[in-house]
Amino acid sequence: AQSVAQPEDQVNVAEGNPLTVKCTYSVSGNPYLFWYVQYPNRGLQFLLKYITGDNLVKGSYGFEAEFNKSQTSFHLKKPSALVSDSALYFCAVRDPIYGQNFVFGPGTRLSVLP
Amino acid sequence: NAGVMQNPRHLVRRRGQEARLRCSPVKGHSHVYWYRQLPEEGLKFMVYLQKENIIDESGMPKERFSAEFPKEGPSILRIQQVVRGDSAAYFCASSPASGGSSSYEQYFGPGTRLTVT
Repeated sequence: AQSVAQPEDQVNVAEGNPLTVKCTYSVSGNPYLFWYVQYPNRGLQFLLKYITGDNLVKGSYGFEAEFNKSQTSFHLKKPSALVSDSALYFCAVRDPIYGQNFVFGPGTRLSVLP
Repeated sequence: NAGVMQNPRHLVRRRGQEARLRCSPVKGHSHVYWYRQLPEEGLKFMVYLQKENIIDESGMPKERFSAEFPKEGPSILRIQQVVRGDSAAYFCASSPASGGSSSYEQYFGPGTRLTVT
């Protein structure tokens, strides 16, 4: 069965500092991995995805994520956080062997402090 | 380009009533997914549909819930005889149809927030 863990409910970081939001996954095959961001009372916005190729993936708003197969991780990173990055972040996995639906992690609330 | 549209954005129903949630996918997308989000939780997959077909409904409760995606018109998620536990945000997402569709991201609508009183 597919599963996604986001070990931190909350991440606090000062504006201008680097940020990391952690994600680990479990699938039986080669995973497709995604990060989404959700602002209050809004739907999810796509940030980036890993399908194949380079392990470092660059996405929207200066975010990037590194796929690490040996550690089954896909941590989201940004070199310099902005207050406007404060939101709820979801990691998701899709195992193409098992179908089209995503399995989402529980979410990590990021607070960037001015 | 219009994104995924959902209506209504907010829906209040009394226990025992029916709730109908509508989703219009991105133009040209023929894959629709429904998810439920409880407060302070992640999204849980409910059902995956293509035009006129339910492909995967493994996340749908066995009773009271149904979904359709007709040839014409929006996808509908229907909840009969709602109970307080059905109160949640319901999100629809769509993706394109192609041989590599499993690699596509899903585009999410703004959600319908259902409150059962």
